[in-house]
Amino acid sequence: QSVLTQPPSVSGAPGQRVTISCTGSDSNIGTGYDVHWYQQLPGTAPKLLMFGTTHRPSGVPDRFSGSKSGPSASLAITGLQAEDEADYYCQSYDNSLSAWVFGGGTKLTVL
Amino acid sequence: QLQLQESGPGLVKPSETLSLSCTVSGGAISSSDHYWVWIRQPPGKGLEWIGSIYYIGGTFYNPSLKSRVTISLDSSKSQFSLDLSSVTAADTAVYYCARALRGTFRYSVDYWGHGTLVTVSS
Repeated sequence: QSVLTQPPSVSGAPGQRVTISCTGSDSNIGTGYDVHWYQQLPGTAPKLLMFGTTHRPSGVPDRFSGSKSGPSASLAITGLQAEDEADYYCQSYDNSLSAWVFGGGTKLTVL
Repeated sequence: QLQLQESGPGLVKPSETLSLSCTVSGGAISSSDHYWVWIRQPPGKGLEWIGSIYYIGGTFYNPSLKSRVTISLDSSKSQFSLDLSSVTAADTAVYYCARALRGTFRYSVDYWGHGTLVTVSS
């Protein structure tokens, strides 16, 4: 059971918009710790997709955006493309566990 | 461009110690701005933080693994290492070494190694 809860899967057609939620608690996201997102393509290492909740590393298209409200965060992907099909993970810090924590991951399928 | 490369045995016997090293190139391991991190991913499952170290020597471990984990850093070799003792089949995973930020946007992992599969089996 992950400290951060993500839906196991989401899907969308090319060109559509999808969102992936990441629900935490008052000991992690809710207390103000940054949320970071990673994209993991099949058979590869994860790649930093979003840091500090809303910031994109160089090279990440602006089709990807992040937001946070209370103990939850979301990753939105607009203009869905086949190359976006991957696993997505959120990450934060939990001060009651004194641990870096990940969500369980969400598999995005592009229909 | 920073690169990280894991090395170590791909097969470890139950009850023994899993030992991996990560060689850092293209950047300074002696940076006070970064953590050096071990993360693992069991086959078909999600990511789990194992622990982190930074140059001055501070170490931080996942409480669920703390009794079995040691992470160390050798700046002369530009390497950091992971020892995980008393392994069981549940420790079978792809092990990633990585770098994370210490300052602003703390804990974001900006560089990852390719990962190495370690199987625990007799």
